[in-house]
Amino acid sequence: GAGVSQSPSNKVTEKGKDVELRCDPISGHTALYWYRQSLGQGLEFLIYFQGNSAPDKSGLPSDRFSAERTGESVSTLTIQRTQQEDSAVYLCASSLDLLSGGAYNEQFFGPGTRLTVL
Amino acid sequence: AQTVTQSQPEMSVQEAETVTLSCTYDTSESDYYLFWYKQPPSRQMILVIRQEAYKQQNATENRFSVNFQKAAKSFSLKISDSQLGDAAMYFCAYRRDTGNQFYFGTGTSLTVIP
Repeated sequence: GAGVSQSPSNKVTEKGKDVELRCDPISGHTALYWYRQSLGQGLEFLIYFQGNSAPDKSGLPSDRFSAERTGESVSTLTIQRTQQEDSAVYLCASSLDLLSGGAYNEQFFGPGTRLTVL
Repeated sequence: AQTVTQSQPEMSVQEAETVTLSCTYDTSESDYYLFWYKQPPSRQMILVIRQEAYKQQNATENRFSVNFQKAAKSFSLKISDSQLGDAAMYFCAYRRDTGNQFYFGTGTSLTVIP
């Protein structure tokens, strides 16, 4: 089966514009995560969706960032009024829920979207 | 809160030699899971190896093995017979037993010298 896919692969935008990043998780994966990876940095957790539960938005850096997910399918991460400091690679990952995922329930990652804000 | 520390931002190893990447973590829990992920220049994160905290035996996957020291909260990755394709960023990660959220370290960039 297909892995996690993300689009676009690269996005260049001008400061102040809004951008939407898309993530298609692995079919059947109820959990979906967004991370930000700035140049030379680790993974910064942004938001986590688990099935129909309320998402964990504790990692979103400002109210310019928001994410949606319809059911257990596609998720979109929206950044409004982009700033230069938003330039980074945005990674999406998915996993099964804890009951079905087995002990490890590892995350499977997409290839990321590289966002450049000029 | 759980924190994961990778104290080596960069490491290098000669091809065919062995290298060890360090990882320490902070937790008050007794059951949890630890992972090493590899991120090559393609950006695609790939799971390398994983370990359950209650298993005393160190996990191994071919040339990759871990040294899990639970009391010391240490989870180092050993790469034997290093190959050029091992060059990548390596991330250590922690997951609680009862939750789905992962906590990642800041990564170690591994260079393999021909």
